[in-house]
Amino acid sequence: NAGVTQTPKFRVLKTGQSMTLLCAQDMNHEYMYWYRQDPGMGLRLIHYSVGEGTTAKGEVPDGYNVSRLKKQNFLLGLESAAPSQTSVYFCASSYFLGLAGGPSSYNEQFFGPGTRLTVL
Amino acid sequence: KQEVTQIPAALSVPEGENLVLNCSFTDSAIYNLQWFRQDPGKGLTSLLLIQSSQREQTSGRLNASLDKSSGRSTLYIAASQPGDSATYLCAGITNAGKSTFGDGTTLTVKP
Repeated sequence: NAGVTQTPKFRVLKTGQSMTLLCAQDMNHEYMYWYRQDPGMGLRLIHYSVGEGTTAKGEVPDGYNVSRLKKQNFLLGLESAAPSQTSVYFCASSYFLGLAGGPSSYNEQFFGPGTRLTVL
Repeated sequence: KQEVTQIPAALSVPEGENLVLNCSFTDSAIYNLQWFRQDPGKGLTSLLLIQSSQREQTSGRLNASLDKSSGRSTLYIAASQPGDSATYLCAGITNAGKSTFGDGTTLTVKP
């Protein structure tokens, strides 16, 4: 299993350009997440999805859109990139959280390697 | 709104020492508490997951505890090694699937 993969690994954009970050997981997880990590700010949740066709806002959703058309993929879009969106973006996935009492490894979040984005 | 705080922000210890990292959260309605390790320039690696019905989890030299009533979790590392040097993050996850991370504790273990 590849686990959680992210494409691309690095990207440099100019202000106003658009791009899409792709996250893919092969663990049949229901839940998927997009975070950004900035120095001194920790990891902040941008958007998340509790299943195919669903999305929900996290802590810092402005300037981003997401789609979950297939269970294994979660896309993060920047329609008009701004320098404030320079960051490292992480995708994560986990099993459905409703199954209390499951194995100890249930509901763990598994992370991708990250995408380093610079907006000039 | 859930807030997660990790103390200390940085810690330096000699090799072989036992140590405790602290994580506190404001909303006791968390579903899971997960500890991660992050090496510089890398992604997050899951270390331990404690579900709300559990009080602790152990993996090798690591032991994590959870006390929901006091809003605290601790990560205990026994017999620390230079390879343990990394940033350790905790995250509280609600049953709605939302997660809140602390800012992390950067650990340096000196040979």
